[in-house]
Amino acid sequence: DTGVSQNPRHKITKRGQNVTFRCDPISEHNRLYWYRQTLGQGPEFLTYFQNEAQLEKSRLLSDRFSAERPKGSFSTLEIQRTEQGDSAMYLCASSLEPRNTIYFGEGSWLTVV
Amino acid sequence: GEDVEQSLFLSVREGDSSVINCTYTDSSSTYLYWYKQEPGAGLQLLTYIFSNMDMKQDQRLTVLLNKKDKHLSLRIADTQTGDSAIYFCAENPYSSASKIIFGSGTRLSIRP
Repeated sequence: DTGVSQNPRHKITKRGQNVTFRCDPISEHNRLYWYRQTLGQGPEFLTYFQNEAQLEKSRLLSDRFSAERPKGSFSTLEIQRTEQGDSAMYLCASSLEPRNTIYFGEGSWLTVV
Repeated sequence: GEDVEQSLFLSVREGDSSVINCTYTDSSSTYLYWYKQEPGAGLQLLTYIFSNMDMKQDQRLTVLLNKKDKHLSLRIADTQTGDSAIYFCAENPYSSASKIIFGSGTRLSIRP
């Protein structure tokens, strides 16, 4: 197992377009998290899944954002009608309950022009 | 409330020890973490400490936890150029066991 995998690693899109990021967690990890990180800041929590159930969403996750984990394995994060303020690195992480060691992927960079 | 604070920059000479400090606000936090982030990369879990511990050592890394003062530190012995990165302190509040809260990170630079 090579860890948490994210793709694409980089995405440049025009304002108003939709983008989707995919995350493959570490095998058998039942928890999956999405975070967002902007330049000079620490990662901010967006949402998390326990298996296929989305159990918590941050206020940062506006209506334009949607995350899914349909089979309890990989997850997608979709941003609709992107805005320049959405430009950031989107980080996925996973962990195995009940242990709280959370492992991050390499992130997906989004630039909205 | 939940808040994690760190100083923004630290510069040390190669071979010296680096000490990165962090304060947190949620006394119920069960786990406290140190992550390392190199330019353009994701976060690498360096080490973590459970709240009932005072100290944890792992090779060149030593974590000290002062629960009374809500203070966490990371000491890197014999600092090398490869240690240049941003180091994030993070807490896992009991009130929200599903997520961890990060500080803004400390940028560690190594001078020859």
